[in-house]
Amino acid sequence: DSGVTQTPKHLITATGQRVTLRCSPRSGDLSVYWYQQSLDQGLQFLIQYYNGEERAKGNILERFSAQQFPDLHSELNLSSLELGDSALYFCASSVTRTSGRTDTQYFGPGTRLTVL
Amino acid sequence: KNQVEQSPQSLIILEGKNCTLQCNYTVSPFSNLRWYKQDTGRGPVSLTIMTFSENTKSNGRYTATLDADTKQSSLHITASQLSDSASYICVVSRAAGTASKLTFGTGTRLQVTL
Repeated sequence: DSGVTQTPKHLITATGQRVTLRCSPRSGDLSVYWYQQSLDQGLQFLIQYYNGEERAKGNILERFSAQQFPDLHSELNLSSLELGDSALYFCASSVTRTSGRTDTQYFGPGTRLTVL
Repeated sequence: KNQVEQSPQSLIILEGKNCTLQCNYTVSPFSNLRWYKQDTGRGPVSLTIMTFSENTKSNGRYTATLDADTKQSSLHITASQLSDSASYICVVSRAAGTASKLTFGTGTRLQVTL
């Protein structure tokens, strides 16, 4: 158990819909990262938040957005869903020291999204 | 283009044997390189993190090496166990101001059999 929690574990929805994935980081971790992993594909970094502010952006679509709240939990919003958005979505957290460059990221169990 | 390539794509070995997984990268400027283990359907777990000045780092039966000149890394697994069956992912971090940009390899799928 990494200490990172994600809800829900599974989500099934239809094309065109909007969903929200939730992540609670490990106690004391200020950074939250979101990743997408499609079937048999590598992990794709989406976005990082640090202490409530966006720090780094990866291959995140405009239909996707995220935020980190004052209690440090984070939500990833996916809208106008397409079949290709079906994937495992992972959240990770880390302490993030001065530069954050050698932090260990602890991954949550993931949310499996299926778009029908 | 910043890329991370891993080989082999998949590997089957007998329990108790050793194996070595390879990672080549073109990411620049280099910040650090990480190896993760990911069991099927679960989140990745960090094995090692190495910066530019580190040549080798161990974590139990896992030993990672880094040659920053040739931009190559390897992960050596000693005396493999059935529980080592998983995907092993190489991740290279590129320094970008106060944030770091991560580039992921597609992983090596290892199966350890009896």
